[in-house]
Amino acid sequence: DGGITQSPKYLFRKEGQNVTLSCEQNLNHDAMYWYRQDPGQGLRLIYYSQIVNDFQKGDIAEGYSVSREKKESFPLTVTSAQKNPTAFYLCASSTGSHEQFFGPGTRLTVL
Amino acid sequence: AQTVTQSQPEMSVQEAETVTLSCTYDTSESDYYLFWYKQPPSRQMILVIRQEAYKQQNATENRFSVNFQKAAKSFSLKISDSQLGDAAMYFCAYMWGGTSYGKLTFGQGTILTVHP
Repeated sequence: DGGITQSPKYLFRKEGQNVTLSCEQNLNHDAMYWYRQDPGQGLRLIYYSQIVNDFQKGDIAEGYSVSREKKESFPLTVTSAQKNPTAFYLCASSTGSHEQFFGPGTRLTVL
Repeated sequence: AQTVTQSQPEMSVQEAETVTLSCTYDTSESDYYLFWYKQPPSRQMILVIRQEAYKQQNATENRFSVNFQKAAKSFSLKISDSQLGDAAMYFCAYMWGGTSYGKLTFGQGTILTVHP
């Protein structure tokens, strides 16, 4: 059963801590993306990767980091430098057909 | 930079009626794609419909259709025979067509309520 999984579904972070959000896909898609969604706003691109071991910054990359060591995996680390990390995070992947498929999301809350 | 604007924060419709959600965008490119995504309370993003800019014919998917006005840079979504399950947040999105792995630029979203 192909798809995109994100874990955990809910994540709580203390101020000053780094946390890592997982995104895995078994669709054999080349490209993967991370978006952030805040209340009342649309999604904004954080980072994206078109091939393994390569990634580019999106519109709001400050305070975030990523890696792409495997085609299936694209983890996102929210660092302590991100001043307002409470948000809903969505991972997506693409075959290159100008269409993106989304995971179920992770809700991050800073305590 | 490309921008996408949805001027209706909220819309409502009676079950079985028709509703139109508005979207405008700004781009200097000629090759691009436009999308409508649905986000129900589960928050899973679901692709509703897509439109290639080079196609003059408006896209249609069952009860969902678009009115694509390229010169006016307008891309509205019409939902016919509205159902309770259509209640969700709807996002309009733009993607430049110059690369196969384009980035999506989203509008702010429109919350659609369906009344029984």
